[in-house]
Amino acid sequence: EAGVAQSPRYKIIEKRQSVAFWCNPISGHATLYWYQQILGQGPKLLIQFQNNGVVDDSQLPKDRFSAERLKGVDSTLKIQPAKLEDSAVYLCASSLSRGTTDIQYFGAGTRLSVL
Amino acid sequence: TQLLEQSPQFLSIQEGENLTVYCNSSSVFSSLQWYRQEPGEGPVLLVTVVTGGEVKKLKRLTFQFGDARKDSSLHITAAQPGDTGLYLCAGGAGAGSYQLTFGKGTKLSVIP
Repeated sequence: EAGVAQSPRYKIIEKRQSVAFWCNPISGHATLYWYQQILGQGPKLLIQFQNNGVVDDSQLPKDRFSAERLKGVDSTLKIQPAKLEDSAVYLCASSLSRGTTDIQYFGAGTRLSVL
Repeated sequence: TQLLEQSPQFLSIQEGENLTVYCNSSSVFSSLQWYRQEPGEGPVLLVTVVTGGEVKKLKRLTFQFGDARKDSSLHITAAQPGDTGLYLCAGGAGAGSYQLTFGKGTKLSVIP
């Protein structure tokens, strides 16, 4: 079974530039998550999709971050314009959404450096 | 906002030693998950505990969920260099949209 695919693996940009990340979840997983993991911290949920609808985006900085999952499969996360504090690893995860027994499967992440 | 505090933040031990990592919160969670994350990779689920007082064993790893479902511990017996990594606890909650709140993690180094 293929895992969660993310690209690119690394990205270096200057502040005020734009950047986009792509995620392809495990086939059949209805729920997709984007997390931000700053160095030395645990992952922080940015947005959760159920199929192609947004379930929770309360921690997404909507003035600069946007995400979409148009066909309920793969997803993109965009930052425009980037700030220095956006430097982090952006993790995508997917799950079958089974409540307390749910298992989230994570991709390897995209490491973003904003200079 | 539900917060999970993990301790210690860093741990460096010799191969063969035992260790315990703690995960504490003032909030009640429906479940508590433990993940291990290696450099350049995403977190990988080790275990899920659901019932207060529950104990689960995974080879040399023992996980316990507190009676009040607010805290958890991970005990590793006879640590091996392969146990090196970042250990994250995550509390699960939510009826409709189930979500995880992660702690900051414990970075474990096992020295051969």
